[in-house]
Amino acid sequence: QQQVKQSPQSLIVQKGGIPIINCAYENTAFDYFPWYQQFPGKGPALLIAIRPDVSEKKEGRFTISFNKSAKQFSLHIMDSQPGDSATYFCAGNRGSRLTFGEGTQLTVNP
Amino acid sequence: GAVVSQHPSWVICKSGTSVKIECRSLDFQATTMFWYRQFPKQSLMLMATSNEGSKATYEQGVEKDKFLINHASLTLSTLTVTSAHPEDSSFYICSANGQGGQPQHFGDGTRLSIL
Repeated sequence: QQQVKQSPQSLIVQKGGIPIINCAYENTAFDYFPWYQQFPGKGPALLIAIRPDVSEKKEGRFTISFNKSAKQFSLHIMDSQPGDSATYFCAGNRGSRLTFGEGTQLTVNP
Repeated sequence: GAVVSQHPSWVICKSGTSVKIECRSLDFQATTMFWYRQFPKQSLMLMATSNEGSKATYEQGVEKDKFLINHASLTLSTLTVTSAHPEDSSFYICSANGQGGQPQHFGDGTRLSIL
């Protein structure tokens, strides 16, 4: 019940494309859903986050869509750039504890 | 704001050595710090949660005598890998919550290689 399932495992898009990464969770006690971006050899950096009472949140080129009834949420990256190439992790939070998805390796080709 | 500093960034040592990794919150007080382990191309796995001034809570399967955690102040937590062996080689990452709770802020990780 603590799992967060993330897909796809890897994703390749052209510059300007809109990659979409999906996550599904089972634990309805999760109260906060962050997305992290990780570059090789670095720690994860918070990208954007949403609470379950909101259906969508947008920050710059990054948008989270949240479907509470389906227990799913997704990250959209508008006008993707080669610099967005990284590994993206979704997570669910309960208390102060994060449960991470498996990660998606995104490659944005020039 | 909300910077977490981790040191060292990379350490290579011989089998049997004990290695200490430091995690500092630079511009906020961290009531709770977390230690994760990450293998190549895998997700982050929580090892333990530490609260300032109290004993750490370890996840199932993590040996507390192997991975010693000390959270002596609101800005510093340390992870000591005791008698390290090649199978302990991994990327260790710490994170910290401020007093307001989320989000967690992560350090840049420590690459540990045991020969």
